[in-house]
Amino acid sequence: NAGVTQTPKFQVLKTGQSMTLQCAQDMNHEYMSWYRQDPGMGLRLIHYSVGAGITDQGEVPNGYNVSRSTTEDFPLRLLSAAPSQTSVYFCASRRQGRSYEQYFGPGTRLTVT
Amino acid sequence: QQQVKQSPQSLIVQKGGISIINCAYENTAFDYFPWYQQFPGKGPALLIAIRPDVSEKKEGRFTISFNKSAKQFSLHIMDSQPGDSATYFCAASTGGGTYKYIFGTGTRLKVLA
Repeated sequence: NAGVTQTPKFQVLKTGQSMTLQCAQDMNHEYMSWYRQDPGMGLRLIHYSVGAGITDQGEVPNGYNVSRSTTEDFPLRLLSAAPSQTSVYFCASRRQGRSYEQYFGPGTRLTVT
Repeated sequence: QQQVKQSPQSLIVQKGGISIINCAYENTAFDYFPWYQQFPGKGPALLIAIRPDVSEKKEGRFTISFNKSAKQFSLHIMDSQPGDSATYFCAASTGGGTYKYIFGTGTRLKVLA
């Protein structure tokens, strides 16, 4: 049982490049989310999904796309990277419900130059 | 914008002392209040959580105190240890079927040996 896995761990992009951050979970959780973590700003929700085929926007969705074709995978796409997207990105998953624990992945540190 | 305000931003405590971190929220629809602990280079992990129908929850050295009328909740770490040195985030869940989390900005705790 690997929990929530993220790849890559580190990435450097040039402005305008695109890339996909991968996230997978093996706990059969319905609910998955992407957050970005910036100094002094906590974790901010980018996009989330309550099940395969269902996604919605969080607080800071601009510049990011997501899709959820399977229960296990929830990739985050940066369409045209900008320096403002330099951040640490965390994927999380949990069972649907009011108080089930949310499990976080180890994070991807992204730098856009 | 729904917010969760967290203080202090950083905290230094002597070994054996009590660490106290405070959070305040605005939205009375929040119905789940977790605290997360994050070590450098790792993803956040659930530490303890509370629902608004109780005023206090204790797990080992960690206690959440909840004041519904003041819309405040706090984390108390008793007998603080150097191994508790980490960043702590409070959060609140909006419920309503999506169960999105709003995070505080984090408190960096350092416990001196």
